[in-house]
Amino acid sequence: SQQGEEDPQALSIQEGENATMNCSYKTSINNLQWYRQNSGRGLVHLILIRSNEREKHSGRLRVTLDTSKKSSSLLITASRAADTASYFCATDEGAQKLVFGQGTRLTINP
Amino acid sequence: GAVVSQHPSWVICKSGTSVKIECRSLDFQATTMFWYRQFPKQSLMLMATSNEGSKATYEQGVEKDKFLINHASLTLSTLTVTSAHPEDSSFYICSASDSGAGEKAFFGQGTRLTVV
Repeated sequence: SQQGEEDPQALSIQEGENATMNCSYKTSINNLQWYRQNSGRGLVHLILIRSNEREKHSGRLRVTLDTSKKSSSLLITASRAADTASYFCATDEGAQKLVFGQGTRLTINP
Repeated sequence: GAVVSQHPSWVICKSGTSVKIECRSLDFQATTMFWYRQFPKQSLMLMATSNEGSKATYEQGVEKDKFLINHASLTLSTLTVTSAHPEDSSFYICSASDSGAGEKAFFGQGTRLTVV
């Protein structure tokens, strides 16, 4: 079952601007993960945030998690053209089974 | 990081034929692998969980006899699309994890299947 919903479905910004994507989920989770997918390719793991964490950073990425609202956000700062891709959140339903959100298609315009 | 290799990256087959897709964990052992299907501009839909040495666990609505999964070793899982039809055309992706439950997954490159 797909439990994650992402917002917006598509986002187009200028290079150098920040991009924010949101993800909501429905059930309790062990952790939430963000993945990136270039067109026609597999997924690349970006960052994992555990249910007892509220914020995590990795390079230009910042992820927040609000378990009371069952939501997470991914912020990409100082965007680059190479950041153009689809971004998916995924929640862990246990036993390594991930449930993916619908994804946000991010376009960075040079 | 861990590497998962998926082969082939694309395949075109005729209706009625069967196609096998391989998913290998190259530098770690994966007792569990996952198979996903993705339609254009959509999310990944989990098809089945592949367990080494035992039967796969299929998600609701996925035909077991249509999508045969074999996980014969700790580094290889295969997905066979049997009697393929045009509606089976899709992007198929496998994943595996080399750590405990809930840790990050490593994905194969995906296989673009086109049935003509």
